[in-house]
Amino acid sequence: EAGVAQSPRYKIIEKRQSVAFWCNPISGHATLYWYQQILGQGPKLLIQFQNNGVVDDSQLPKDRFSAERLKGVDSTLKIQPAKLEDSAVYLCASSLDRGKNIQYFGAGTRLSVL
Amino acid sequence: ELKVEQNPLFLSMQEGKNYTIYCNYSTTSDRLYWYRQDPGKSLESLFVLLSNGAVKQEGRLMASLDTKARLSTLHITAAVHDLSATYFCAVLNDMRFGAGTRLTVKP
Repeated sequence: EAGVAQSPRYKIIEKRQSVAFWCNPISGHATLYWYQQILGQGPKLLIQFQNNGVVDDSQLPKDRFSAERLKGVDSTLKIQPAKLEDSAVYLCASSLDRGKNIQYFGAGTRLSVL
Repeated sequence: ELKVEQNPLFLSMQEGKNYTIYCNYSTTSDRLYWYRQDPGKSLESLFVLLSNGAVKQEGRLMASLDTKARLSTLHITAAVHDLSATYFCAVLNDMRFGAGTRLTVKP
């Protein structure tokens, strides 16, 4: 069974530039999550999708971050414009359904904002 | 606000020794997850603890859950170098992870 796929693996940009990350969840998983993991910390949830609808985006900085999950499968997370403090690993995870299911994580995208 | 607190945050152990990592949480969740993360890699699921009193073991790692005390433990028996990693506990009902325990096992 294929895991959660993310791209790119690494991205270096300058502040005020824009960047986008892509995630393809495990086939059949209805729920998709984007997390931000700052060095030395645990993952912090940014947004959760159930199929193609947003369940929770309360911690997403909406003035600069946006995410979509068209057709309830792939998802993209965008940052525009990027700030220095956005430097982190962005992890995508998926689970069969909401709440009580194991979340499977992708390898992540390491973003460096200079 | 929900808190998930792990301690210690850093742990350096000798091979062959035993130690316990603690995870306290402030919600009434009845399930708790443990993940492992190797440097530069993603998170790998280790244990899912589904009810009060649950105990799971895999190799040299054993996890337990006490929902009344809101406490989970990850016990390491006779540590080996391959166990060096960061271990996270998580309350996934609330999408909340602990800060992680960075374990280093030295010869």
